[in-house]
Amino acid sequence: GENVEQHPSTLSVQEGDSAVIKCTYSDSASNYFPWYKQELGKGPQLIIDIRSNVGEKKDQRIAVTLNKTAKHFSLHITETQPEDSAVYFCAALTNTGNQFYFGTGTSLTVIP
Amino acid sequence: EAGVAQSPRYKIIEKRQSVAFWCNPISGHATLYWYQQILGQGPKLLIQFQNNGVVDDSQLPKDRFSAERLKGVDSTLKIQPAKLEDSAVYLCASSLPYRFSSTDTQYFGPGTRLTVL
Repeated sequence: GENVEQHPSTLSVQEGDSAVIKCTYSDSASNYFPWYKQELGKGPQLIIDIRSNVGEKKDQRIAVTLNKTAKHFSLHITETQPEDSAVYFCAALTNTGNQFYFGTGTSLTVIP
Repeated sequence: EAGVAQSPRYKIIEKRQSVAFWCNPISGHATLYWYQQILGQGPKLLIQFQNNGVVDDSQLPKDRFSAERLKGVDSTLKIQPAKLEDSAVYLCASSLPYRFSSTDTQYFGPGTRLTVL
């Protein structure tokens, strides 16, 4: 099955700085890569996603890049704000088993 | 639109007791997922339904966990009997099939936090 690794597990940045979270996956058949933000006591919420036919996608301060050859994808948050503080999860969807595999999460703290 | 609803939000039981969780997906979403999220980890899929049929239950501990989605809408997840290691947040999510929505976006409910003593 798919194996998704996520780094770092914790990340602290100053407000206004950028944050980058990286994930690797093992199954070359994976073709959909969403990123979720989970705030305390809430379920994960989709913030951005990318398909394997695209190398980069941007939505305001959030961007995701995908390198299919290296099997890794990254989340980039620019101009971070305190409200960006949360746990972020990457995931990969395989088109063989139609199952999502999640990374272990990154706890992001934005220091005012 | 209304989101995924789950109840209860919190549950505390003793080991060997039984517990059930309920999920109401977003209206029209044919696919429903139950995940187990242990503290400090990412969600792990327990079972996936397409309408009222099981698509994947390979990671469901079937000796103690069961789930059903009888009418293709609401779903219940049951644990009987519970063990200490079942303490976790149980998340329900729903989505439209890709061929209908061009996306596999899963929408998660708030989860049920289970503590087994």
